[in-house]
Amino acid sequence: DAKTTQPTSMDCAEGRAANLPCNHSTISGNEYVYWYRQIHSQGPQYIIHGLKNNKTNEMASLIITEDRKSSTLILPHATLRDTAVYYCIVRVDAGNQFYFGTGTSLTVIP
Amino acid sequence: GAVVSQHPSWVICKSGTSVKIECRSLDFQATTMFWYRQFPKQSLMLMATSNEGSKATYEQGVEKDKFLINHASLTLSTLTVTSAHPEDSSFYICSARDRSSYREQYFGPGTRLTVT
Repeated sequence: DAKTTQPTSMDCAEGRAANLPCNHSTISGNEYVYWYRQIHSQGPQYIIHGLKNNKTNEMASLIITEDRKSSTLILPHATLRDTAVYYCIVRVDAGNQFYFGTGTSLTVIP
Repeated sequence: GAVVSQHPSWVICKSGTSVKIECRSLDFQATTMFWYRQFPKQSLMLMATSNEGSKATYEQGVEKDKFLINHASLTLSTLTVTSAHPEDSSFYICSARDRSSYREQYFGPGTRLTVT
């Protein structure tokens, strides 16, 4: 699986958009970008995934650059409940085991 | 969405005893389940892959005789920590792959193990 690089931590003001970047410069053509988050002492929660086109669901938007070497997860209106560690994972599909990196610890500030 | 449960959610045991953690897929069948371990302020680390009806595949460095995994049905996998020691204290998380949609994987809520 391609390796991903994320900032260790980020802060975001409540109500503002949170933009979480991820670099995956060695991604292969058939690998998807998945985003999960883990709220303290809970299991990871699926957020969104995409191959090359931008995606949006009820939780977030995923913007993947044209060369697919990086992506950004956008939480449009961050709330205090969005404080969590966000993991960007590159996988051929979600069916096999995940190898988690260190993720980005997002703190939403009142 | 699909639900995966773990039992117990937390457990305290004495050093030298064994403890069993259950992982269940509640509304789907899972031919494959995964077990992860997470130490404080660290990321999840994959321990093993559990396939229904066959032996588990362990990641390098994980002792298979210490962490016994059984996947006897399509909805249940168990992880038994044998002869637990304080260094085994951790957050154990399972995930399950949906048999009907093998591209999907769902995570359980985790089990906090404390060995005293």
